[in-house]
Amino acid sequence: GAGVSQSPSNKVTEKGKDVELRCDPISGHTALYWYRQRLGQGLEFLIYFQGNSAPDKSGLPSDRFSAERTGESVSTLTIQRTQQEDSAVYLCASSLLGLASYTGELFFGEGSRLTVL
Amino acid sequence: GESVGLHLPTLSVQEGDNSIINCAYSNSASDYFIWYKQESGKGPQFIIDIRSNMDKRQGQRVTVLLNKTVKHLSLQIAATQPGDSAVYFCAENMGGATNKLIFGTGTLLAVQP
Repeated sequence: GAGVSQSPSNKVTEKGKDVELRCDPISGHTALYWYRQRLGQGLEFLIYFQGNSAPDKSGLPSDRFSAERTGESVSTLTIQRTQQEDSAVYLCASSLLGLASYTGELFFGEGSRLTVL
Repeated sequence: GESVGLHLPTLSVQEGDNSIINCAYSNSASDYFIWYKQESGKGPQFIIDIRSNMDKRQGQRVTVLLNKTVKHLSLQIAATQPGDSAVYFCAENMGGATNKLIFGTGTLLAVQP
């Protein structure tokens, strides 16, 4: 597609359930990022992929959070045993190259809003 | 996480006035900075960037100023329009192999007609 696509756009789940959030980056973009945004707050870095490898997972808040990327394309963020504190918008972004390139513009999707009851 | 607080700083300006949004960044080794605009219910959108070897860069109606001495970044918007109303974030690339952007808390710009 023309932009970064995320699904679902909204997800309501019960505490303790697992959720999967999907990101389809712009075709050809090798770098992919996941951020979390709580209501009224800034963006919190979670993980960065270059190709299919994740050189930086330092932002994942706990071992309940994991992410993978296959075929240098789609990425899935999985949250196991969700807690109410996980409620947030999860934003995915991609860029053509890493930030060492001439432009570090990240193209963001519209996010997946997760509500944990 | 790197974000703090529930209440975003707010800048209220009259339509047609110039706006200045400020940001303090944390890492003196950061070498690349970006301003993003986020409208309600949408993902952030790139506005303008600047590398650490520059102190000023201009775009269409926007100017970014970088003061490395005091680790300060500002975004100037000329002739502010109602469509400029949004939350504005500065972001810094902390360098090294990680290539991640660290975002500031954000400033809500409210343009009064």
